[in-house]
Amino acid sequence: KAGVTQTPRYLIKTRGQQVTLSCSPISGHRSVSWYQQTPGQGLQFLFEYFSETQRNKGNFPGRFSGRQFSNSRSEMNVSTLELGDSALYLCASSLLAGGLNNEQFFGPGTRLTVL
Amino acid sequence: AQKITQTQPGMFVQEKEAVTLDCTYDTSDPSYGLFWYKQPSSGEMIFLIYQGSYDQQNATEGRYSLNFQKARKSANLVISASQLGDSAMYFCAMMEPGNQFYFGTGTSLTVIP
Repeated sequence: KAGVTQTPRYLIKTRGQQVTLSCSPISGHRSVSWYQQTPGQGLQFLFEYFSETQRNKGNFPGRFSGRQFSNSRSEMNVSTLELGDSALYLCASSLLAGGLNNEQFFGPGTRLTVL
Repeated sequence: AQKITQTQPGMFVQEKEAVTLDCTYDTSDPSYGLFWYKQPSSGEMIFLIYQGSYDQQNATEGRYSLNFQKARKSANLVISASQLGDSAMYFCAMMEPGNQFYFGTGTSLTVIP
């Protein structure tokens, strides 16, 4: 079974631009979560989608948005990029959502650099 | 308050020795799950071990074991017989019912030959 895939793996943008990252979960998984990882802040939860609905949202500005499609693939969009948005963006999928032993399987991440 | 606290930014261990990575958590919910993930320099997060709050025994997975002390709200990861390939960042995480994953800030483990 194929793992979680994220595209692109690397991205360089300039301030003010917008970017869209894509995540394809493991086949059969319906929950997709997004995280931002930076050296200073660690792993921070962005949002979670389940069956095309946003279940949870972290404490990020409205410039960060996402969506999930009927095939469970998810996209994350960041508008008006700032230097501080440079980070590794990780996507994780799980079979269900909210379960206590809800193991999340992570993708390789997209490394975004904002110049 | 931090949901997950990892107080060791960096740890060193001699190859073949055991090492304990600390993790404490904060929750008022009696039901929760605790996880440990490994992140090599490649960036991908690898699931290591899971402990449920109602599990009576400490979780074990091969060379990994979780020292679960519920009253102290600690969930330390023990790696036995360290290998060079164990050098990585290690993250402790917690899941509350219907809620999101909370991650700690991580511990960087270096295995010395």
